[in-house]
Amino acid sequence: KAGVTQTPRYLIKTRGQQVTLSCSPISGHRSVSWYQQTPGQGLQFLFEYFSETQRNKGNFPGRFSGRQFSNSRSEMNVSTLELGDSALYLCASSMDYRWGVDTEAFFGQGTRLTVV
Amino acid sequence: SQELEQSPQSLIVQEGKNLTINCTSSKTLYGLYWYKQKYGEGLIFLMMLQKGGEEKSHEKITAKLDEKKQQSSLHITASQPSHAGIYLCGADGTGNQFYFGTGTSLTVIP
Repeated sequence: KAGVTQTPRYLIKTRGQQVTLSCSPISGHRSVSWYQQTPGQGLQFLFEYFSETQRNKGNFPGRFSGRQFSNSRSEMNVSTLELGDSALYLCASSMDYRWGVDTEAFFGQGTRLTVV
Repeated sequence: SQELEQSPQSLIVQEGKNLTINCTSSKTLYGLYWYKQKYGEGLIFLMMLQKGGEEKSHEKITAKLDEKKQQSSLHITASQPSHAGIYLCGADGTGNQFYFGTGTSLTVIP
């Protein structure tokens, strides 16, 4: 079956602009989580959506937001981009809303965002 | 918040050599995941450990969760260039968040 699909793969934006990233989970998966990976901070949890509801949120400013649609596809939005937002954004999908001991998560290839 | 410290930060080994990567948690682990990431790409699930003392193997990779459930090790036997990448441990933490370790970069020299 198809894996997790993230679009676009690469993106260049100007400081102050906003950006929307998309994640299509594996068919049948209802949970989508988003992560930001930077050389300085490593991999950090942004938020998790399950059945169109945000269940958990990491320690990121309100400029970072997301949503999930009825088909489980998720979008992440970053407004008023800053240079420090340049990162690889990864999403993961899983069956359950929580990464429990029996829940495996599958990652997409990521979207590389560069803010100039 | 949960902290996962990995050691070493980077590793360069000759092909055929064995190596071990450690992941130490600041809190008790209730589920520990190991992932591999090729540079700039998504993460590939390797294995998941749940019980103290549990050990799992897949091909030449073995992972173990210690009895006290605060440390895990990942051992690669007879490393190959295909093993190169970044290895990350991950675990459930407080607030229903998922935390990743600091990562270990592995280079295998042919």
